Amino acid sequence: QVTLRESGPALVKPTETLTLTCSFSGFSLTTDGMCVTWIRQSPGKALEWLARIDWDDDEHYTTSLETRLTISKDTSKNQVVLTVTNMDPVDTATYFCARMVRGNNNYYMDVWGKGTTVTVSS
Amino acid sequence: SYELTQPPSVSVSPGQTARITCSGDALPKKSAYWYQQKSGQAPVLVIYDDTKRPSGIPERFSGSSSGTMATLIISGAQVDDEADYYCYSTDRSGNHRGVFGGGTKLTVL
Repeated sequence: QVTLRESGPALVKPTETLTLTCSFSGFSLTTDGMCVTWIRQSPGKALEWLARIDWDDDEHYTTSLETRLTISKDTSKNQVVLTVTNMDPVDTATYFCARMVRGNNNYYMDVWGKGTTVTVSS
Repeated sequence: SYELTQPPSVSVSPGQTARITCSGDALPKKSAYWYQQKSGQAPVLVIYDDTKRPSGIPERFSGSSSGTMATLIISGAQVDDEADYYCYSTDRSGNHRGVFGGGTKLTVL
């Protein structure tokens, strides 16, 4: 059974760096074609894809936030970490991690974590 | 940047067929994926690779794709299907950057 769980601070101050951890089980990020991605959702808004890390260490970021995001993995711990620098109140959102697998001509999220809510406020 | 466009809302009566569209220039080359999100919950995959249904998803959910438009079809919609639905894909440049549509609120009443 594949499961993912997000963890991190519920509250951060403006300009601080947010560090979120995705702990997963039921699959290995060393397996060909496996990826983990981060997505966020601001209150009342649509889902926003943020970043992805692949089994072969490739990293991919959304253009609009690329300079503020870093994704990394620790395969020995089955964890993926996302850091977001220079946090702003507009970054207040629920952050989800999800497993991505290879489809017909694309990668897609097949299993999601429940999400963790982050509020940015002084 | 690449965009996927969905209608903000769709409304049907129980038992009717709901169709939710997603348009994007790269959809002729890149598959679309559909996610159902009920209030306060994480999204759930309901259609992958344009037309395939994951195990455990009811048969009333199906997908189609033609040209620059992908469609999620819910045949005989039920009250329990009321949710936000998001399409997902990537652009065709090969940069692997994902993008979601703006979401469609499906009302069944």
